[in-house]
Amino acid sequence: AQSVSQHNHHVILSEAASLELGCNYSYGGTVNLFWYVQYPGQHLQLLLKYFSGDPLVKGIKGFEAEFIKSKFSFNLRKPSVQWSDTAEYFCAVNLMEYGNKLVFGAGTILRVKS
Amino acid sequence: DAGVTQSPTHLIKTRGQQVTLRCSPKSGHDTVSWYQQALGQGPQFIFQYYEEEERQRGNFPDRFSGHQFPNYSSELNVNALLLGDSALYLCASSSSLGGAGELFFGEGSRLTVL
Repeated sequence: AQSVSQHNHHVILSEAASLELGCNYSYGGTVNLFWYVQYPGQHLQLLLKYFSGDPLVKGIKGFEAEFIKSKFSFNLRKPSVQWSDTAEYFCAVNLMEYGNKLVFGAGTILRVKS
Repeated sequence: DAGVTQSPTHLIKTRGQQVTLRCSPKSGHDTVSWYQQALGQGPQFIFQYYEEEERQRGNFPDRFSGHQFPNYSSELNVNALLLGDSALYLCASSSSLGGAGELFFGEGSRLTVL
C-alpha cells in the first residue's frame, strides 16, 4: 500500500534556527506532493506543492521543499524559524491515477521557543 | 469568499448511535472529500463525492456513508458508532477543473464516542 513517512513526530527549535522536516513516500508512479500546515486552533492550510518542473519549490512564509525523485523524498526547509511557525506539519502525496486522493504522513509537531 | 464550512464543530455520541456531519465546499468547488484524523495521526481518506456520486473510497467500512447534494454540499453519515470512531472529521473541497490534488480544508467536526 502507498504510504508517507515523516521522520520526526516532535521537533523543538529556538528562534532563528534552521528547519528541515523529512518526508518519504512509497509509490513508484507519478505523484503530486504537498506540505500542509495546521496552526493551533486553525484548519489545515496549504504551505507548498510540487506538480512538475523545478524540484525546488517555494511556498508561503519562507518555506521551501525539494523533490528528490530518486530518493522518493520531499523534505521541507526553512532557513530561520520564527515563534509563529509553531504548528503541525503534514506531508501529503497525491497518486495521480487515483485522482484527488491525498495520502498523508502522521505529521510533525514543531515547537519554536522564543 | 467563504471557505469550507463544517457543522457541527463538536459533538458527543454513545456507542451504537448514528451521526451526520455536514460540509459546504469553498465557492466554485464541485468535489468534496472526507477525511478522518485520529489523535496523533495524519488525515485518512474516507471517500470523495463528485456529481452527487461516490467516486473513490478509502479503507473504511460500510458504516461510513455519504451524500452530495446538487449545490455540492455534502454529508457524512456514520452508523453503529464505535469508540474507535472518535476523531476529527475533515471535509476538503476541490475543483474538477484544475489544481490537481490541491484541497481546501474545513476546521473539522470533532466527534467523541462514549
